[in-house]
Amino acid sequence: GQQLNQSPQSMFIQEGEDVSMNCTSSSIFNTWLWYKQDPGEGPVLLIALYKAGELTSNGRLTAQFGITRKDSFLNISASIPSDVGIYFCAALSYNTDKLIFGTGTRLQVFP
Amino acid sequence: GAVVSQHPSRVICKSGTSVKIECRSLDFQATTMFWYRQFPKKSLMLMATSNEGSKATYEQGVEKDKFLINHASLTLSTLTVTSAHPEDSSFYICSARSPVTGDNEQFFGPGTRLTVL
Repeated sequence: GQQLNQSPQSMFIQEGEDVSMNCTSSSIFNTWLWYKQDPGEGPVLLIALYKAGELTSNGRLTAQFGITRKDSFLNISASIPSDVGIYFCAALSYNTDKLIFGTGTRLQVFP
Repeated sequence: GAVVSQHPSRVICKSGTSVKIECRSLDFQATTMFWYRQFPKKSLMLMATSNEGSKATYEQGVEKDKFLINHASLTLSTLTVTSAHPEDSSFYICSARSPVTGDNEQFFGPGTRLTVL
């Protein structure tokens, strides 16, 4: 079945550092989404990407839809303590409304 | 806009009882809602797709008689865990597509933590 390989699994960084995480797959997708989940909460949509090669920013967050349609990355610049949480990539392929989720990246930010 | 709520936020029940979880789209109409299950430190796993006015579509391995889904209106879908057992303990999350923001974006509820004793 379709799988999204997300890396790294976890990150421990110091406040102010930049963060990068990515998702790859052997399948082609037409939409990539990035979510953040806080403990005990549902995922919150951060960025949505619809076109191959698209680069989109949301504040300190920047995400790109890979040109091959098989990958995406998320960057967080100048991390702050409230960036702590689990980040999930998710993707949709053509003719389906089922989201496939990555395995998640757990981010810890130390002051 | 695009707010999804769930009720209850957490529930503890005895083994053998049934538990109903509600998912509501507060400021939009959702013809399709989704139910996910998440184990600790794991990703979200789609259980079923709930379509307003029709039967839900269940993912492979999900027992439809165990997890009853009803989507009676454009703003409400319910998941009932029937005859719950400890192995059903999990974090259940619903989502809905908002026609305002686009067909491909799903907005998630805050989740319901179910603990079966």
